[in-house]
Amino acid sequence: GENVEQHPSTLSVQEGDSAVIKCTYSDSASNYFPWYKQELGKRPQLIIDIRSNVGEKKDQRIAVTLNKTAKHFSLHITETQPEDSAVYFCAASRVGNQFYFGTGTSLTVIP
Amino acid sequence: NAGVMQNPRHLVRRRGQEARLRCSPMKGHSHVYWYRQLPEEGLKFMVYLQKENIIDESGMPKERFSAEFPKEGPSILRIQQVVRGDSAAYFCASSAGYSEQFFGPGTRLTVL
Repeated sequence: GENVEQHPSTLSVQEGDSAVIKCTYSDSASNYFPWYKQELGKRPQLIIDIRSNVGEKKDQRIAVTLNKTAKHFSLHITETQPEDSAVYFCAASRVGNQFYFGTGTSLTVIP
Repeated sequence: NAGVMQNPRHLVRRRGQEARLRCSPMKGHSHVYWYRQLPEEGLKFMVYLQKENIIDESGMPKERFSAEFPKEGPSILRIQQVVRGDSAAYFCASSAGYSEQFFGPGTRLTVL
């Protein structure tokens, strides 16, 4: 089965700085890579996703890059704000199938 | 336009009792996925169902756990003879099968 690793497990940045979270996956058949944000006690919410036919995708301050050859993908958050503080999960899947999640990154943005 | 609904939101059971968790997918979604999240851990896949069919249950313990998604009504995750280690948040997600998964608010199960 798929195995997703995520680093770092915790990340603290100053407000306005950038944050980068990295994930690797093992199954070369995986073709869909979503990122979820989860606030304490809340449900995971999709913030951005990328499919394997695309190398990069951007949505305002959030971007995701994918390197299929190396089987890794990254989340980039620019101009971080205190409300970005949360746990972020990456996941890998074949479209339509179950997600295999990374272990999460707890991001703290220091005002 | 209701999202994914789960009930109950909180469930307390004593060891040995049964827990039934319900999930109603978003309108138009026929794919349901159950995940378990232990305290301060990630989400672990349990089971993937479509209407009346279990597609993949490879993440679900062989004993005491079962899931169904009947033709009518919500998907149900059933845990028999609960133990303390079953205490966790159980999330379901739904999708149209070719796109993103939308998560419900979760059921937080506490086993005393």
